[in-house]
Amino acid sequence: QVQLQQWGAGLLKPSETLSLTCAVYNGSISGYFWSWVRQPPGKGLEWIGDINHRGITKYIPSLKSRVNISIDTSKSHFSLKLRSVTAADTALYFCVRRLFGEFDYWGQGTRVTVSS
Amino acid sequence: QSVLTQPPSTSGTPGQRVTISCSGSASNIGSNYVYWYQQFPGVAPKVLIRRNDQRPSGVPDRFSGSTSGTSASLAISGLRSEDEADYHCAAWDDSLNSWVFGGGTKLTVL
Repeated sequence: QVQLQQWGAGLLKPSETLSLTCAVYNGSISGYFWSWVRQPPGKGLEWIGDINHRGITKYIPSLKSRVNISIDTSKSHFSLKLRSVTAADTALYFCVRRLFGEFDYWGQGTRVTVSS
Repeated sequence: QSVLTQPPSTSGTPGQRVTISCSGSASNIGSNYVYWYQQFPGVAPKVLIRRNDQRPSGVPDRFSGSTSGTSASLAISGLRSEDEADYHCAAWDDSLNSWVFGGGTKLTVL
């Protein structure tokens, strides 16, 4: 059974950089897209972007100037960095495996709060 | 404001059939597959319907999906208390070049 386990800082001050990492267990990192999805409190899901094993990335246009997703295939890890965070970036962040259009395996989620 | 529009909430009684709508546009639902996810409080979503109307193994046949033009629907028949959850629709958007989700619908089983 594929498992995604994520970690990173949960409390940030405005203007700091959000940094999360996700490890993939019991599955190949090739052949899939590795995504980050977030969910603000009480709101719907928002796709942030994803990366494949070759390092090809795609980001949501509204965050493209602040976001970077990277991958370390040797460790089966992928990471999210979001610069210059504000309160609007407060959300539950999930790492997710995507196969074509389906987000099929999800991490446990990391609650990130941005507050001064 | 989500690109795909869902009702914030709906409810039903055990045994009843409920439907949840997801309204989009020609650039998303009108030209790409729709996926539905079920999410219980505090945990990650799980795929319920893939490619408009296909159920992954393990999903009861009480759940069904359909599309018509730029809208999609999730139907749940024989409603059970354990169906109480949030439901999200998703699709690729050709204009935004992004995956887009609905705002989610909270289903309450009365």
